[in-house]
Amino acid sequence: EAGVAQSPRYKIIEKRQSVAFWCNPISGHATLYWYQQILGQGPKLLIQFQNNGVVDDSQLPKDRFSAERLKGVDSTLKIQPAKLEDSAVYLCASSPGSANTGELFFGEGSRLTVL
Amino acid sequence: QQPVQSPQAVILREGEDAVINCSSSKALYSVHWYRQKHGEAPVFLMILLKGGEQKGHEKISASFNEKKQQSSLYLTASQLSYSGTYFCGTEIWRGSTLGRLYFGRGTQLTVWP
Repeated sequence: EAGVAQSPRYKIIEKRQSVAFWCNPISGHATLYWYQQILGQGPKLLIQFQNNGVVDDSQLPKDRFSAERLKGVDSTLKIQPAKLEDSAVYLCASSPGSANTGELFFGEGSRLTVL
Repeated sequence: QQPVQSPQAVILREGEDAVINCSSSKALYSVHWYRQKHGEAPVFLMILLKGGEQKGHEKISASFNEKKQQSSLYLTASQLSYSGTYFCGTEIWRGSTLGRLYFGRGTQLTVWP
């Protein structure tokens, strides 16, 4: 079974530029999550989708971050404009059921460096 | 609402045991444990629901003390493959927080031969 796919794996941009990350969850998984993991810290939830609807985006900095999950399958996370403090690994995860009923399957992440 | 993990780091020899603790100031519905190796995705170890349940996974087990809002991860006879950063994720109450997981800062475990 294919795992959660993310791209790009690495991205270096200058502050005020924009960037987009893509995630393809495990086939059939209804719930998709985007987490931000700053170096030395645990993952922090940015947004959670159930199919193509937003369940929780309370911790998403909406002035610069946006995310969508068209057709309830893959998802994109965009940052515009980027700030230095956005440097982090952006992890996508999926799960088959509703909110946190069990295991989350994580992708390898997209590492963003903002200069 | 972020749980507190201790210790921050552990160094072991192969075959030694370790305990990693996770505590919360909020009433917990569940505790999740993940391991992340450097540059890789976090991998699910186990989930414990309120009720003081203890679970096991090979030589890795965990307990959940609902009254103290604490969970402990036990690694027995550690192997080199156990090296990595261990995160606990706590779910406060499903109804109000829609099942959001708050992850701790992690415990870095290094096992030497």
